[in-house]
Amino acid sequence: QSALTQPASVSGSPGQSITISCTGTSSDVGGYKYVSWNQQHPGKAPKLMIYDVSKRPSGVSNRFSGSKSGKTASLTISGLQAEDEADYYCSSYTSSSTWVFGGGTKLTVL
Amino acid sequence: EVQLVESGGGLVQPGGSLRLSCAASGFTFSNYWMHWVRQAPGKGLVWVSRINSDESSTTYADSVKGRFTISRDNAKNTLYLQMNSLRAEDTAVYYCARVPSYLGAFDIWGQGTMVTVSS
Repeated sequence: QSALTQPASVSGSPGQSITISCTGTSSDVGGYKYVSWNQQHPGKAPKLMIYDVSKRPSGVSNRFSGSKSGKTASLTISGLQAEDEADYYCSSYTSSSTWVFGGGTKLTVL
Repeated sequence: EVQLVESGGGLVQPGGSLRLSCAASGFTFSNYWMHWVRQAPGKGLVWVSRINSDESSTTYADSVKGRFTISRDNAKNTLYLQMNSLRAEDTAVYYCARVPSYLGAFDIWGQGTMVTVSS
């Protein structure tokens, strides 16, 4: 049950786009459509931003998008805004009927 | 309003036990799989355990298997986590979260309850 691999940090200026990667194995990210992304602001509970690789829950801005290629999923945030500054975690269902999270990526809006 | 509220956290000595609760409201609790996820101070999210809607199936992370037990009372709309043989490395905020079968993702989270294991 090793954590999915995410970059520790990414940064971008307001209005720019950034992409966060999430690399797993064929037993998790590469094998299932159940890849999701959660946003967490300091001291707050996580919030679902993307599910099933690329779908957005109601109320989530269309500036957030997701994709997957092989064993790597990606979250792209376009038109960066100050309020996007947060930690982002990917997660995936696994072949062991468990779930696994990525180590998290701190997004800094410059 | 759909809501999950955890309780039961606190300070416990190594080797001790604690039971966390998660009260659900605003949705039909018995229709959903439920999970526990934890976050050590300054660290990332770690999946702990899940239970299916009728309590017939449970799974655990290797790090807690044999020490933690997840359960639920659908009549009381409440999820539980019994934690035994606690270790310092179990110190974390514990979140309960809902996973609808049609999403396969954690769509509703509680606010978390802090568990500190220390002598």
